[in-house]
Amino acid sequence: QSALTQPPSVSGSPGQSVTISCIGSSSDVGNYNRVSWYQQPPGTAPKLMIYDVSYRPSGVPDRFSGSKSGNTASLTISGLQAEDEADYYCSSYTSSSTMMFGGGTKLTVL
Amino acid sequence: QVQLQESGPGLVKPSGTLSLTCAVSGDSIRSSHWWGWIRQPPGKGLEWVGYIHYSGSTYYNPSLMSRVTMSIDTSKNQFSLRVTSVSALDTAVYYCARNYGGNSYFDFWGQGTLVTVSS
Repeated sequence: QSALTQPPSVSGSPGQSVTISCIGSSSDVGNYNRVSWYQQPPGTAPKLMIYDVSYRPSGVPDRFSGSKSGNTASLTISGLQAEDEADYYCSSYTSSSTMMFGGGTKLTVL
Repeated sequence: QVQLQESGPGLVKPSGTLSLTCAVSGDSIRSSHWWGWIRQPPGKGLEWVGYIHYSGSTYYNPSLMSRVTMSIDTSKNQFSLRVTSVSALDTAVYYCARNYGGNSYFDFWGQGTLVTVSS
């Protein structure tokens, strides 16, 4: 199974909004609302930020939002802050009953 | 609060077997959730290895399926990973994590443990 496709990097200035895309197929992202997003600062374990496409776990700021259209899921971070700088990964359930991650996107806050 | 802790050798010889255990606290491993392994080679992205339910059901990454086995020890509230015939390509930080309800998201993660394959 191939990884979900994410842009290698995105950047934005404090206060701006950025969107990270996650492109899958009809066998994963497009057919299931089981898309999640993870934040991983350097040297730390991933942290769940969004689940089931658009739901935020308790404690995650509402600056983080998720959506999906067709085979593409998106994570939007509004009101960018320096502490948001990290790697971000999407994940999806697949029709083979497996899980899959995206290649990861490095977010730089300018 | 659910906590997971990986343990096992940090160095494995090529062609050998990698064995890791994940101890779970704050939740019963006999719950409705699934228990998974994710790995991350140095400087690279996350790769799903597989997950297991306490019933014994398992799902593995197709690219690793021939070399991976997962098991559960309900008496110790822990689960394990074995990867056989390892090579340098298996060098990675290995994370264990809880998959909420199965086919879903990973909500609690261990801190990760680095396993290096080298002679």
